[in-house]
Amino acid sequence: EPEVTQTPSHQVTQMGQEVILRCVPISNHLYFYWYRQILGQKVEFLVSFYNNEISEKSEIFDDQFSVERPDGSNFTLKIRSTKLEDSAMYFCASSDFHRTGNYNEQFFGPGTRLTVL
Amino acid sequence: SQKIEQNSEALNIQEGKTATLTCNYTNYSPAYLQWYRQDPGRGPVFLLLIRENEKEKRKERLKVTFDTTLKQSLFHITASQPADSATYLCATIKAAGNKLTFGGGTRVLVKP
Repeated sequence: EPEVTQTPSHQVTQMGQEVILRCVPISNHLYFYWYRQILGQKVEFLVSFYNNEISEKSEIFDDQFSVERPDGSNFTLKIRSTKLEDSAMYFCASSDFHRTGNYNEQFFGPGTRLTVL
Repeated sequence: SQKIEQNSEALNIQEGKTATLTCNYTNYSPAYLQWYRQDPGRGPVFLLLIRENEKEKRKERLKVTFDTTLKQSLFHITASQPADSATYLCATIKAAGNKLTFGGGTRVLVKP
């Protein structure tokens, strides 16, 4: 069964450093997302991406964050200058939005645990 | 903004019984409501989706109901098994967008 994959599974970085989290969405999916979950808290939406551009972003997704689909398979989240409060699990998800407009479920990857020291 | 409320207390249940979880939302009526399972340190796993014009959906031992008048969804696990022990997340999507808004989840522990 197709699945979303993410690398690395765990990333440790120093405050102020740049990190890039990588995701390979399910191959025929059209919508891509990043969410994060701080330990013990809710899963929070960061950004959605469709047709090579951001379709929606949350207040969390400020100028320090960016997303890119550098080729036909990868989808990346970059944090330019990490802060302590960026420590969280980051989940990539993808969905296949049906042509009729019916929403299809989002499939999540296993996550990248980001630890900022 | 939409708020999703789930019972934060863990639900302890005996194997074979039915677990019932509640999800309440406070603002707009979502076009779709979804339930996910999350195991510790793992990503959410999609279980069921129900549309605003549907009252009930079933999949194997799982059943979801959607009451737009009460602004509530109920999630049932029948004939529960220890392997069902996990945190269950409710999430909604507003009609116009694809962003998922999650509740805090309810942890279920099924004892043999």
